[in-house]
Amino acid sequence: DADVTQTPRNRITKTGKRIMLECSQTKGHDRMYWYRQDPGLGLQLIYYSFDVKDINKGEISDGYSVSRQAQAKFSLSLESAIPNQTALYFCATSDAGTARAEQFFGPGTRLTVL
Amino acid sequence: TQLLEQSPQFLSIQEGENLTVYCNSSSVFSSLQWYRQEPGEGPVLLVTVVTGGEVKKLKRLTFQFGDARKDSSLHITAAQPGDTGLYLCAGAGDNNNDMRFGAGTRLTVKP
Repeated sequence: DADVTQTPRNRITKTGKRIMLECSQTKGHDRMYWYRQDPGLGLQLIYYSFDVKDINKGEISDGYSVSRQAQAKFSLSLESAIPNQTALYFCATSDAGTARAEQFFGPGTRLTVL
Repeated sequence: TQLLEQSPQFLSIQEGENLTVYCNSSSVFSSLQWYRQEPGEGPVLLVTVVTGGEVKKLKRLTFQFGDARKDSSLHITAAQPGDTGLYLCAGAGDNNNDMRFGAGTRLTVKP
C-alpha cells in the first residue's frame, strides 16, 4: 500500500463550487504539505503543517484553505473554485526529525475547473 | 521569477548519450534535493546533498552541489529510456520550513 494517498485522483468541477482534496499518510511523519504543479512553473507550496495544531501559508495560499484533522490527515479546500485553479495538486510529508527536509509525495490529484 | 532556475527546460537525446542538467540560484541552501517525476505520479527523491562541493553517485547518475551551496548539477552517463522523466531540484533553507522547487528539466531518452 502507498505511504501517501490522495483522493480523488481526478476531479472536474464548475466555477464557484466548493472542492475538498484529501491526503492521508501512514509514514508517521509530523510535517505535511500541499503543492500545486503547473507546466513550466514546477511545484508551488500552498500550505504546510508541522503538527496537528500548526498551519502555515505557503507561496500561493490565496483561494485555498486547509485542515489538519489528525497527524495522518491533511485536507485542502477550494471554497469557490475558479478556472485558474486548474492544476495538478500534490500532498507531501516529511520527518521533522531530519534536517534534510526530504519529502515523500502522494500520486497527485488532477483538478479541472470549468 | 523562479528562485531555482533549471536548464535546459527540455532535453531529448538518444540512448547511450551522456547529459548534464543544471539547477542554479542566487540563494544559499542548507540542503538540495533532486527528484524524478514520471507521468501520473508524484516526484520521488533521488538524492540529497548538504555539503558544499559534495558529489554523490547513484549508479549512472552523478550529483554535485556547488561549493557555495547555490547550485547543483545532475550528470547521467549512458542514458537509457528508463531515465525518461521530469527532473526537479528543490532547495531548503536553514530551518527547512520552506522548500522551493525549480520548474524541472523534462528528459526524453529515445531507444
